[in-house]
Amino acid sequence: QKEVEQDPGPLSVPEGAIVSLNCTYSNSAFQYFMWYRQYSRKGPELLMYTYSSGNKEDGRFTAQVDKSSKYISLFIRDSQPSDSATYLCAIPTGGGNKLTFGTGTQLKVEL
Amino acid sequence: DSGVTQTPKHLITATGQRVTLRCSPRSGDLSVYWYQQSLDQGLQFLIQYYNGEERAKGNILERFSAQQFPDLHSELNLSSLELGDSALYFCASSVGQAASPLHFGNGTRLTVT
Repeated sequence: QKEVEQDPGPLSVPEGAIVSLNCTYSNSAFQYFMWYRQYSRKGPELLMYTYSSGNKEDGRFTAQVDKSSKYISLFIRDSQPSDSATYLCAIPTGGGNKLTFGTGTQLKVEL
Repeated sequence: DSGVTQTPKHLITATGQRVTLRCSPRSGDLSVYWYQQSLDQGLQFLIQYYNGEERAKGNILERFSAQQFPDLHSELNLSSLELGDSALYFCASSVGQAASPLHFGNGTRLTVT
């Protein structure tokens, strides 16, 4: 079983829709969870950083962690064409600060 | 702009050759990481350095090596290149060692022909 799994999509939604992106992880000991956004030909940029369970909100973005199910989600409200990108979940899984990434979900928001 | 600088942006070379990728971390960051991104494998962790010392190693081939210099910049050396080494190579940096968010550069696109 992979440490972090993510549905690769692609996902296509109309402008203004609520988007839900999800990852599952294997080890219940993981405590920190991150979401990155990657535009084409660019490096991943940090969107959200959460610790343990619960929700964290930042503007139109909400990160949710359900440790009992080992499930993390990123919600995007009022999605915009500029949100079209690949979204990657990431979890520190090893010694040092090794981040293990999901495979990424490609999102397209259409006008 | 993340503040992490990678050079060159693009590199085209032949099989069997050796190349060096360079990374300057964000000001104040002591940790540097190297990741490889290919279409079929996603983002794969290669290696981490903290203040000049190796801290963690991932799926890095023996043909690949890295180092972090006293001024904290890092270099990734790839030798005896194969077609399968064609990928995007990202450098990232963070302030600390554990559970610190990573800040990525825009990568070096390596094409091996």
